[in-house]
Amino acid sequence: AQTVTQSQPEMSVQEAETVTLSCTYDTSESDYYLFWYKQPPSRQMILVIRQEAYKQQNATENRFSVNFQKAAKSFSLKISDSQLGDAAMYFCAYRSDAGNMLTFGGGTRLMVKP
Amino acid sequence: DVKVTQSSRYLVKRTGEKVFLECVQDMDHENMFWYRQDPGLGLRLIYFSYDVKMKEKGDIPEGYSVSREKKERFSLILESASTNQTSMYLCASRTGGSGNTIYFGEGSWLTVV
Repeated sequence: AQTVTQSQPEMSVQEAETVTLSCTYDTSESDYYLFWYKQPPSRQMILVIRQEAYKQQNATENRFSVNFQKAAKSFSLKISDSQLGDAAMYFCAYRSDAGNMLTFGGGTRLMVKP
Repeated sequence: DVKVTQSSRYLVKRTGEKVFLECVQDMDHENMFWYRQDPGLGLRLIYFSYDVKMKEKGDIPEGYSVSREKKERFSLILESASTNQTSMYLCASRTGGSGNTIYFGEGSWLTVV
């Protein structure tokens, strides 16, 4: 079974600074997808960024980028120029190419200090 | 925009009550999911459905059942609610095929007293 681990329960960052959230996963499969989801206090889960395992190039979405290390099974999220609105729970998630189910990590609470 | 709607945001139920959590999606998605969210544990899959009347157990199905009589609606049922089922419940949906994004509802916070 796949597992996803987020080793940082809480992180804080100063507004306008850069922060990196860590995620590792365990799988025996070669084709899969990795995701970062954001859950603000309103509780609506929002997709931040997605990475296909077969792509070597790291995904980027505006201020959000990932560092995908397939051999190390690591998938970290970098948030540049942090904004107050980035404060939320962030979840790393895994889905196999053939599967339907997402497996989530335990989450990292990000606080942004003004 | 895809919309996944959970009928109740906040519920308080008594131990032993039967509880229904309803979820509706408006994008004709084949796959629907019920997750439970607890601090430090992330989201854990309870059940999912890949078609009408079809269901599969997730990681923590004990104490729960589901119903999918129509494609757009997926219900989570707690036959006899217990205090350890106090949690946030999230519904989600996704169309078929690989690589498609999963969409979440706003969540239902259930307190069992």
